[in-house]
Amino acid sequence: DAGITQSPRHKVTETGTPVTLRCHQTENHRYMYWYRQDPGHGLRLIHYSYGVKDTDKGEVSDGYSVSRSKTEDFLLTLESATSSQTSVYFCAIGSTGELFFGEGSRLTVL
Amino acid sequence: AQSVAQPEDQVNVAEGNPLTVKCTYSVSGNPYLFWYVQYPNRGLQFLLKYITGDNLVKGSYGFEAEFNKSQTSFHLKKPSALVSDSALYFCAVRDIESYGQNFVFGPGTRLSVLP
Repeated sequence: DAGITQSPRHKVTETGTPVTLRCHQTENHRYMYWYRQDPGHGLRLIHYSYGVKDTDKGEVSDGYSVSRSKTEDFLLTLESATSSQTSVYFCAIGSTGELFFGEGSRLTVL
Repeated sequence: AQSVAQPEDQVNVAEGNPLTVKCTYSVSGNPYLFWYVQYPNRGLQFLLKYITGDNLVKGSYGFEAEFNKSQTSFHLKKPSALVSDSALYFCAVRDIESYGQNFVFGPGTRLSVLP
């Protein structure tokens, strides 16, 4: 299995609070991604990174920001969580071939 | 723009019978095609991929997929289903010239294999 660790795995928070999800990889991979999974939508790309301090928006980036200060870590931040951001969030690595995914972080915003 | 359709939300099959999970795609250039499986409370696991070459691709756990360029399809198949194959299956596509940020996933098909 690809060395991808997500934390926290589960989180319940209240509307308006900030939330940060962490993705840590041990594969020294240049590309990292954050997806959200919602029923009927498959996986949708939020943001991705192609190197340290190099990030770009994906399909559903509104309300999210990311940072990558080290190759191994990619952080996803919800500045002010809303109920529509209740979802399962997946980190992935990969570039020219297949993607490899972490185990996911389930976020519930009350 | 790339897109993936999985026309069936749910597929039910009896254990021991062959299974097919359907996928059709749209991409501007030559496609990379992928199948992933997701078990409950787990991440997506890579099953197989098509890049070039033989239209029949073999992957993990006895699964295979057939690439059909004229029908823009990439159906997942297995000759004899197991109860343990019950899971959520995702088809994905990207243009061969692009990178991982251009992956597009289908909505998923839930496979239930009945004993």
